[in-house]
Amino acid sequence: EAGVVQSPRYKIIEKKQPVAFWCNPISGHNTLYWYLQNLGQGPELLIRYENEEAVDDSQLPKDRFSAERLKGVDSTLKIQPAELGDSAVYLCASSSRTSGDYEQYFGPGTRLTVT
Amino acid sequence: SQKIEQNSEALNIQEGKTATLTCNYTNYSPAYLQWYRQDPGRGPVFLLLIRENEKEKRKERLKVTFDTTLKQSLFHITASQPADSATYLCALGSGGYQKVTFGIGTKLQVIP
Repeated sequence: EAGVVQSPRYKIIEKKQPVAFWCNPISGHNTLYWYLQNLGQGPELLIRYENEEAVDDSQLPKDRFSAERLKGVDSTLKIQPAELGDSAVYLCASSSRTSGDYEQYFGPGTRLTVT
Repeated sequence: SQKIEQNSEALNIQEGKTATLTCNYTNYSPAYLQWYRQDPGRGPVFLLLIRENEKEKRKERLKVTFDTTLKQSLFHITASQPADSATYLCALGSGGYQKVTFGIGTKLQVIP
């Protein structure tokens, strides 16, 4: 079974430029998450999807961040314009309602550097 | 405000010993608690879940305890190996099965 796929793995951009990250979750997983992880910190939730619906986006900075999950499968996270403080690892995860342990499966992340 | 505390300092132990990591929380009533392992450059990997009505859970060399009175979970790795070296994150779940909040993680180094 293929895991969660994210691309790109690394991205370097100048501040004020736009950037987009892509995530393909595990097949059949209806729940998809985007997290931000700073060095030495735990993942912080940005947005959670149930199928196509964003059910928790309270931590998403909506002035510059946007996300979509078309057809309830793949998802993209966009930042426009990027700021220096956005440098971090962006993790995508997915989970299934049928899992009794509620485990989340994470992708390898996209490391963003804003210069 | 809600707070999850994990020892931010690295834990160094000798190979073969038991490693014990701590996760404390305040202003929180989790329905369950999860432990994840994270290696450098990779996403976290799920290890174990323990529910609020469970005191202890085991999986191979791993053991997790959950004390809702002390608001604490302990994560044990017995017979530790250098391959166990990684950062271990606790995550508290509440408000629906998919909503979790992660701690900052504790870095474990097992010395041969």
